[in-house]
Amino acid sequence: AQKVTQAQTEISVVEKEDVTLDCVYETRDTTYYLFWYKQPPSGELVFLIRRNSFDEQNEISGRYSWNFQKSTSSFNFTITASQVVDSAVYFCALSEALNRDDKIIFGKGTRLHILP
Amino acid sequence: ETGVTQTPRHLVMGMTNKKSLKCEQHLGHNAMYWYKQSAKKPLELMFVYSLEERVENNSVPSRFSPECPNSSHLFLHLHTLQPEDSALYLCASSQDPGQGRSPLHFGNGTRLTVT
Repeated sequence: AQKVTQAQTEISVVEKEDVTLDCVYETRDTTYYLFWYKQPPSGELVFLIRRNSFDEQNEISGRYSWNFQKSTSSFNFTITASQVVDSAVYFCALSEALNRDDKIIFGKGTRLHILP
Repeated sequence: ETGVTQTPRHLVMGMTNKKSLKCEQHLGHNAMYWYKQSAKKPLELMFVYSLEERVENNSVPSRFSPECPNSSHLFLHLHTLQPEDSALYLCASSQDPGQGRSPLHFGNGTRLTVT
């Protein structure tokens, strides 16, 4: 069965600090996709990144970077030099490639507070 | 113009009322979804429509009734709700259903309060 665990319920850091959000997943499929979404106070979930199970290269996009490690079933997200605008709830999600019901499983989310 | 638009943004209804939530996507996507977001719980998938056919009904009570008249519009009809149904209801769409790889594009949600 699919499962996504975000053990950090809430994190607070001071602006300009780096912060890492953890995500651990479970799946029996060999082909799957991992996602991160950001939910600011406005409510809309914003897609940040998708990674497929065969691509373990780390990715960097500006101040955001992602570390995918199949050996530990983790897909962690790091924000470098955090800013107040990064305050939001961040969700990690998993989708299995063979699922016919388009089910994307979300973690419970990590609420990130960036303090000025 | 946002890709996925939901109305209303806020809704307060009594337990005997009937109301509908509306979602419209302007992205040309082929699948639409309803998710429920309650406090301290993971996002719960309620319904999936792929090419206008319902492909998933995730054990949702019959007091929630979805309707997908075309690939751009999705409704959630509500009747005789319970206070525990109060939540943020999120609509989403995706381009390539059935393969697991399409990211979801979400609307802003409807904040529902049942009194």
